[in-house]
Amino acid sequence: DAKTTQPNSMESNEEEPVHLPCNHSTISGTDYIHWYRQLPSQGPEYVIHGLTSNVNNRMASLAIAEDRKSSTLILHRATLRDAAVYYCIRNNAGNMLTFGGGTRLMVKP
Amino acid sequence: AAGVIQSPRHLIKEKRETATLKCYPIPRHDTVYWYQQGPGQDPQFLISFYEKMQSDKGSIPDRFSAQQFSDYHSELNMSSLELGDSALYFCASSWGEPGANVLTFGAGSRLTVL
Repeated sequence: DAKTTQPNSMESNEEEPVHLPCNHSTISGTDYIHWYRQLPSQGPEYVIHGLTSNVNNRMASLAIAEDRKSSTLILHRATLRDAAVYYCIRNNAGNMLTFGGGTRLMVKP
Repeated sequence: AAGVIQSPRHLIKEKRETATLKCYPIPRHDTVYWYQQGPGQDPQFLISFYEKMQSDKGSIPDRFSAQQFSDYHSELNMSSLELGDSALYFCASSWGEPGANVLTFGAGSRLTVL
C-alpha cells in the first residue's frame, strides 16, 4: 500500500513561501517521491520528484528527510495561480500513480 | 510543446448507452494511463498500457475496456452506462524508467450520464 499522509488543507499569503509536508514512513528504498498538483477543473500536473537528494526545478523545491520518511514541497513565492490540491505520491517502481489525500492549498491575496 | 489530447471534451449519454473516449499521447511516449475522477474525489487509476500491452489494472469496471493502438493512441470503451459513471476521465502518457517516469495529463473528458 503506497500510503502517504498530508494535511487536508493549508493557507498561505500571496508572495510568501509555502511548505507542504508529506509523511511516508513506510517508504521503501526504491520508491520515488512524486508531487503533482491539480488546479480546479484541470488534469493533474507534474510538479517535482526525487529519490534521496533534495531537488529543485523552476516550479518548486523538494526537501527529502535523511531517513526518507517524510518530505516537504516548497513553493518559494506563492501566487494565486498556485491554489490547487497538491498530491504527494510514492511510486514503487510501477508505472501508475495512486492519488489520494492531497493538501488543498488556498492562497490569500 | 505537444500535449496529451483527449476527445471528446464533453459527452452526454443516457443510461445503458455506450461511450468511447479517445486519447492521443505525447509523441514518443510509450505508456498511456486512464484515470476516473468523480465529483469531489481524487483521480482513481483505471488501467494503463505500455507498448500496446496492458501493463497495470486498477479499479476498472468489467463494463469498461480499453486498448492502445499501433499509433499509440488509446481508447476507453464504456458500455451499459450507469449514473455513477458520470465523471471526468483523464488520460496521461509517459516515457522513461518506471518509478521515475513523469506523467503528463490531458485536459480530461467530462462524461455525463442521464
